[in-house]
Amino acid sequence: AQKVTQAQTEISVVEKEDVTLDCVYETRDTTYYLFWYKQPPSGELVFLIRRNSFDEQNEISGRYSWNFQKSTSSFNFTITASQVVDSAVYFCALSETTYNQGGKLIFGQGTELSVKP
Amino acid sequence: GAGVSQSPRYKVAKRGQDVALRCDPISGHVSLFWYQQALGQGPEFLTYFQNEAQLDKSGLPSDRFFAERPEGSVSTLKIQRTQQEDSAVYLCASSQGGQAYGYTFGSGTRLTVV
Repeated sequence: AQKVTQAQTEISVVEKEDVTLDCVYETRDTTYYLFWYKQPPSGELVFLIRRNSFDEQNEISGRYSWNFQKSTSSFNFTITASQVVDSAVYFCALSETTYNQGGKLIFGQGTELSVKP
Repeated sequence: GAGVSQSPRYKVAKRGQDVALRCDPISGHVSLFWYQQALGQGPEFLTYFQNEAQLDKSGLPSDRFFAERPEGSVSTLKIQRTQQEDSAVYLCASSQGGQAYGYTFGSGTRLTVV
């Protein structure tokens, strides 16, 4: 069965600290996609990154970086020099390439990040 | 449109009432998904459309939930005889073709059943 686990329910940091959000997934597929979304208080899910299972290169985008390790089934997200605007709930999600299911997303429970000034 | 539009933004229903939630996907997007997000939880899949065809409705929690997309664009999620456990945010997402293209989410409809 597919499953995404975000063990950290809430994290609180002070501005400019680095913070890592953990994500562990389970799947029997060899081909799948992993995502991170940000959900600010407004409620909309904002896309951050998509990574397919064949691409294990880590990625950096500004203050954001992602570490994908198939060996440990993890896809962790690090924010460097956090800012108050980073405060939100962050979701990790898994999508399998199953015909006719269009790649529905399986979400983790989310990690609520609070960045204090 | 530029994004996925959902209406209404908020809906309060008395227990037993029927409700209809609307989703306007991005123009040309073939795939459309509905998710249910309970308070403090991650979104959970309800149903998936490819154009007008509903290819997966395995996530619909009961036969009180019904979704349609008759012309392959706008979709409506209908909940009959609402119950308190139906209170949640209902999110709609659209995609050009699936996970390789990514998904764009709407802001959701917050349903409160009293």
